[in-house]
Amino acid sequence: KNEVEQSPQNLTAQEGEFITINCSYSVGISALHWLQQHPGGGIVSLFMLSSGKKKHGRLIATINIQEKHSSLHITASHPRDSAVYICAVLSWDTGNQFYFGTGTSLTVIP
Amino acid sequence: DSGVTQTPKHLITATGQRVTLRCSPRSGDLSVYWYQQSLDQGLQFLIQYYNGEERAKGNILERFSAQQFPDLHSELNLSSLELGDSALYFCASSVATGGYNEQFFGPGTRLTVL
Repeated sequence: KNEVEQSPQNLTAQEGEFITINCSYSVGISALHWLQQHPGGGIVSLFMLSSGKKKHGRLIATINIQEKHSSLHITASHPRDSAVYICAVLSWDTGNQFYFGTGTSLTVIP
Repeated sequence: DSGVTQTPKHLITATGQRVTLRCSPRSGDLSVYWYQQSLDQGLQFLIQYYNGEERAKGNILERFSAQQFPDLHSELNLSSLELGDSALYFCASSVATGGYNEQFFGPGTRLTVL
């Protein structure tokens, strides 16, 4: 049983397209994080959410606590957005453990 | 550059051996987290320390142990290594404990067990 499910697993988009990555979770959470992992392996934290919506540049993250769902949107996608995007939740159900989705591999074609 | 350093970058060793991975958090960060990323399991949370004390424990095997020292650097010890322990090990740090703080990830240590 996966506590965090992401979709899609793989995504290919043309430059300029609007992209949505979804994350659903089954545990009670304190916070949800969106991470970006570059092809070289490095991980960067994009957002931390506990409610509502956050925007940073072309990236927007939303969370619906009642529906246990979060989305990451990328507007006007660019080839440099090509990376793996990972959803992670901090669960208070199980003693403040982090659970990770399997990631969405995004490729943006020029 | 996140400000989190991890050494070594690569480590190749044999089954049954013991290794130590080191992490230095960003200046001012009191929390250190350890994660394992393998091809078949994805990212998994291992353990968290805050100001020298263990705060949360995830899927950490009994063969693995960690500690955070008074200067706040942390070490992850892996013993009786098995082929399946081959993975990328990430350390991250944050200012405080709890999931409300942004985590800054180190570049990782790639462990290969032959």
